[in-house]
Order: sequence, then C-alpha cells, then structure tokens
Amino acid sequence: DAKTTQPNSMESNEEEPVHLPCNHSTISGTDYIHWYRQLPSQGPEYVIHGLTSNVNNRMASLAIAEDRKSSTLILHRATLRDAAVYYCILSGPSGSARQLTFGSGTQLTVLP
Amino acid sequence: DSGVTQTPKHLITATGQRVTLRCSPRSGDLSVYWYQQSLDQGLQFLIQYYNGEERAKGNILERFSAQQFPDLHSELNLSSLELGDSALYFCASSAGTYNEQFFGPGTRLTVL
Repeated sequence: DAKTTQPNSMESNEEEPVHLPCNHSTISGTDYIHWYRQLPSQGPEYVIHGLTSNVNNRMASLAIAEDRKSSTLILHRATLRDAAVYYCILSGPSGSARQLTFGSGTQLTVLP
Repeated sequence: DSGVTQTPKHLITATGQRVTLRCSPRSGDLSVYWYQQSLDQGLQFLIQYYNGEERAKGNILERFSAQQFPDLHSELNLSSLELGDSALYFCASSAGTYNEQFFGPGTRLTVL
C-alpha cells in the first residue's frame, strides 16, 4: 500500500477552522483517500473519503490536490469533541473492501 | 454507536492462557475485520473475513486464529498468551461493496 505522511500533532482553537494535511506522493490512480479519527477510548470512526474531487459531508470537507499527491481534511468549526487522532489512509477502490493500513496519524488538540 | 458490538469489554488473564473475543457486525455487513492496537505498534490489521471465508491476512500471529460464522458474527481466538499480547482488539465491519468500515468499541486484553 502507498504510504501517507501526516504531522504528529496540531492545535486549534475552539470554533475555528482546522486544516489537517496529508501527503501521499506515491498514490496510485485507483487509490481512494480515506480519513478516520479515533476519539479517546473509542474505536476509529469514519470521517470522509474521496478519489479526485473535493468532498463535503456533515462532519468535514476533503480537499484533494489536482495531482492527488496531497489532501487536506477541513473541520469548519472545531469543537472540543473533535479532539482526536486523525488518520489519513489510502485504500483500494469501492467494490474491493479491504483492510485499512493505519499510520501514526495527527493528534489534534482543540483549545477552549 | 457504530452498530458493531464486541464482548467482553475487558479481559484479564494470565500468560499461557487462551481467550476468545467476540464480534457482531452491523446488520447486513458481510465483511468483518480484526485489528490490534498496542502502544508500541499502533493500529494493525490482523485478519478479514467476508461472508464466512477468510479474505485477507495481516500481521496475525500463528497463535491467533479467527472465524466467521453463518450468522456473520466473528470470533478471534488468542492462545498461549504472552505479556506482549496485551492490547486493544477492535472489530470492524463493512458492507463489502464499499470500504467505509464501522468499528466496535474494542476489547481491552490484559495479560498478567
């Protein structure tokens, strides 16, 4: 599987936007970009995924670079509940459900 | 609540013993995945089942085995336990045609 690189940690103030970057320079043409997060003492939780176009859902937005070598997860207004480890993961195309390869992720701290 | 249930929540046992962890996937999900999360190794994929058949294997030790039953629940068997097997064990499920995975709350295994 292609590798992703994320900062170890980031801080944000409550109610401000947060941009979490992810580099994936060896991404293949069929790899989807997935984001999961893990809140303290819980299992990972799906956030969003995309292939080429930017994506929005109720939790976040995903901005994908034109060359697909990087992406950014955007939380529009961070809350204290968004404090978690965020994982950027590359995975195969839909229709081929397969295991997720987690890296070390980005620990997001939200300051009140 | 992801819809994935895992039992037991906590398990404390001694070295050399054998334990069984149980997972019930979301209703209708055909794929079940097992992951191990330890402090030094992070979240690692162990094994995947799809509709009763083994689909993929990750870093699963020979002392560990799993199966998925006709009702789609899955069990992870860990034998000849060692101190290093102490970890959080997560089960996840997916529909099989789309790779969004839903994680259970985990089983915390402590080997003394």
